[in-house]
Amino acid sequence: GAVVSQHPSRVICKSGTSVKIECRSLDFQATTMFWYRQFPKQSLMLMATSNEGSKATYEQGVEKDKFLINHASLTLSTLTVTSAHPEDSSFYICSAVQETQYFGPGTRLLVL
Amino acid sequence: EDKVVQSPLSLVVHEGDTVTLNCSYEVTNFRSLLWYKQEKKAPTFLFMLTSSGIEKKSGRLSSILDKKELFSILNITATQTGDSAIYLCAVDPGTYKYIFGTGTRLKVLA
Repeated sequence: GAVVSQHPSRVICKSGTSVKIECRSLDFQATTMFWYRQFPKQSLMLMATSNEGSKATYEQGVEKDKFLINHASLTLSTLTVTSAHPEDSSFYICSAVQETQYFGPGTRLLVL
Repeated sequence: EDKVVQSPLSLVVHEGDTVTLNCSYEVTNFRSLLWYKQEKKAPTFLFMLTSSGIEKKSGRLSSILDKKELFSILNITATQTGDSAIYLCAVDPGTYKYIFGTGTRLKVLA
């Protein structure tokens, strides 16, 4: 089956710093990737759709200047949380599309 | 507005019990319905359903779709503690941009 990786799996940072999360499709090319956020005991919340070679499409209420998405190649999308604050602490999950969505293992972000 | 509703929200059972998880949906367009299991990390794929009345089975898990009544069920027989997880239902409206339900949190007691 298709494999999607995320890096890092866990990150702790100080308030005000920026954090970059990578999402890679390891054995297939993905024109479309999705970024989700998940709060404890809740379902997945779609943040944005990342399309290779074009701007990301953000869901209502998601600040595009805060969560920068770059999909520079068919196997890599990155999410940068800029000027992170404690309320940005969450579990971030990406997925890549090949006939269906394949999920990465997630990144747990803790902002102190 | 498209929506996917799961019930119950949470469930506690004992090992050996059989459970049925429900997923109903109202969407403008429908391509498939998917079930995922989520433990501590990201969701893992269980089933994709596209046609009504055809049961999909994997070990103790099975699922079926009713496109007329707009719902699906996920059955788990002879539950084990390792089945404890959040079970997510999602609908693909044809864009690969899934609509997720709230999830059902299942806890299986030894």
